[in-house]
Amino acid sequence: NAGVTQTPKFRVLKTGQSMTLLCAQDMNHEYMYWYRQDPGMGLRLIHYSVGEGTTAKGEVPDGYNVSRLKKQNFLLGLESAAPSQTSVYFCASADPAKNIQYFGAGTRLSVL
Amino acid sequence: AQSVAQPEDQVNVAEGNPLTVKCTYSVSGNPYLFWYVQYPNRGLQFLLKYITGDNLVKGSYGFEAEFNKSQTSFHLKKPSALVSDSALYFCAVRDRSSNTGKLIFGQGTTLQVKP
Repeated sequence: NAGVTQTPKFRVLKTGQSMTLLCAQDMNHEYMYWYRQDPGMGLRLIHYSVGEGTTAKGEVPDGYNVSRLKKQNFLLGLESAAPSQTSVYFCASADPAKNIQYFGAGTRLSVL
Repeated sequence: AQSVAQPEDQVNVAEGNPLTVKCTYSVSGNPYLFWYVQYPNRGLQFLLKYITGDNLVKGSYGFEAEFNKSQTSFHLKKPSALVSDSALYFCAVRDRSSNTGKLIFGQGTTLQVKP
């Protein structure tokens, strides 16, 4: 029973490099979310998806892109990483009828 | 605009004593309210939620929270704290009229329970 799985767990990038974070859920949830967590700021929503093939902007979408080609996967891309994107990234999924989000273990990203 | 405030960055209690972690919110209409807990190097875990009905909500690990509409608060409580309760706690709110399930999180409160 994996739940929500995020890969990779850790990554160090140089400014300007690109990367993709993968989130996979095995609970057949419709909704998926990407957050970033920074000290003293709680979790802030980057992008979200309410179903396969759909995406929408959250609170802090600049510098990020997402795709949801398959229901179980939600990808977060950084096209040109900046030091301000150093953060811990969390993915979550939810069954809209149950009002509970399930989180992955996070990806710790450092941009030098 | 919706917002959630957790006025204490850290709460310190002795093991066996009652604990309270405070949360106030601002949202139009009637909200859904949540508490999540985060242990070190882990993702957030759901503790409890208020959707409707009884203002006192019971959740996992002996935690409970009381919805107070007049004070727009949703404080987390436990009658007797354990050292293992030490973690980062987040309050969150969802607009009832939203069909996206989006949550707005507070900044988090670190709970430290000392033996």
